[in-house]
Formats: sequence, structure tokens, C-alpha cells
Amino acid sequence: DTGVSQNPRHKITKRGQNVTFRCDPISEHNRLYWYRQTLGQGPEFLTYFQNEAQLEKSRLLSDRFSAERPKGSFSTLEIQRTEQGDSAMYLCASKGTSGGTDTQYFGPGTRLTVL
Amino acid sequence: AQSVTQLDSQVPVFEEAPVELRCNYSSSVSVYLFWYVQYPNQGLQLLLKYLSGSTLVESINGFEAEFNKSQTSFHLRKPSVHISDTAEYFCAVSDGPIGGAQKLVFGQGTRLTINP
Repeated sequence: DTGVSQNPRHKITKRGQNVTFRCDPISEHNRLYWYRQTLGQGPEFLTYFQNEAQLEKSRLLSDRFSAERPKGSFSTLEIQRTEQGDSAMYLCASKGTSGGTDTQYFGPGTRLTVL
Repeated sequence: AQSVTQLDSQVPVFEEAPVELRCNYSSSVSVYLFWYVQYPNQGLQLLLKYLSGSTLVESINGFEAEFNKSQTSFHLRKPSVHISDTAEYFCAVSDGPIGGAQKLVFGQGTRLTINP
């Protein structure tokens, strides 16, 4: 399967701890997006990369959040000093930018629970 | 700024009945429109999309949606639903032209429940 993968699938942590999630996009896709989905809501955009460059960040991405895509392949999303309000599903998506590639393909998500 | 409104949070229907899930959007620029489906504990899967051309788009599993620019709508329909269609459905919009972030703005979702 060459789809988007995310690890871990589930993470339970205590308030104040740091967590890191990983996303592996479809190999030929140069764009990578992070979204957050809380219970009963649609996903909300957090940030995106074109290759290794982070080109846009949402206001939702507080200073405790940082994302990287060091070699333009996989990406990590780190949350420092987690809060209960950070509990959500974190979704990663990738897409290409050549002709006819307007679709974002989503991974299965990482469900974060902050106790 | 773009926004999407899904008018129904839950839609219960009987198996083999028709269904319509409503979606309205607002945008000051040309847009691409999408319907994604999310099964329990899974990520989002693309159901269908409108980019340009024919305003009626279809999916491989019998769903269709019609882009109506004057009413800024992109309603999803299926003439006869199956138990396996039970899922959460999300309407989304992104910037139209190639270039720019093309980030997706999602509606709140509609939970479709099929009763036997």
C-alpha cells in the first residue's frame, strides 16, 4: 500500500507532556498538509509544506505546536506542554502539484487523548 | 475567507431510499469543491470532486453532486442507499486556480445513518 501513513495511530498522554506524530506522504507528492479534527467537527487546517518549506500556518497553530519536513519527505508534528484542549484527531494529507493532481489524500490519522 | 455549511448534522434514511446531503459554500474566488467520506476510526476518503466543466459529477459507488454557482451549493445525492453507506460525509472547498495553499475548508459533517 503506497498511501499516506501516520504513526502512532493512538497516543494517550498526561497534561504537560510533549508528543510527536509522524506522517509519511505518498512518495511523489511534494505538498503535505496537517489538519486537526475535534469530535463532531470537520477537519481544520493547521499548516502545509511544499517540499521542505513550511509555507503557511493557521492561527490554530499556537507556539506550542511545531511542524517540520526536513528532507521534503516525511513530516513531524510536535506538541509541547500538551493541554486537554489538544485532544483531537490529527490528520495528514498529501498531494502533487503537477497537472491533474488537485486531490488531497488523507492518512488514517493520529488520535491524541490528553488526560 | 471561504466557508462551508452543511445544513444537516444527521440524516437517517431507510435502506434503498434516496438521500440528499446539503452543502452550501461561500467564497470570493473560483473554487474547487469536494465531498469526502469518513468511516469510523478511519481517515477521509475522496468521494467526488468538482474542478471545472460539467456541473454534475459522479462517483464510482452511485453518488453524484451538482455544482450550482448561482445558489453556491454542491449537494450530494444517491438514488438508493445501502447499509454500507453509513458514514460521516464532509463537504469541502479550496482555492480554484493552481497555486496558492489550496488548503481545504471543511463543513461540520453530516452523519448518514442507514436503517434496514
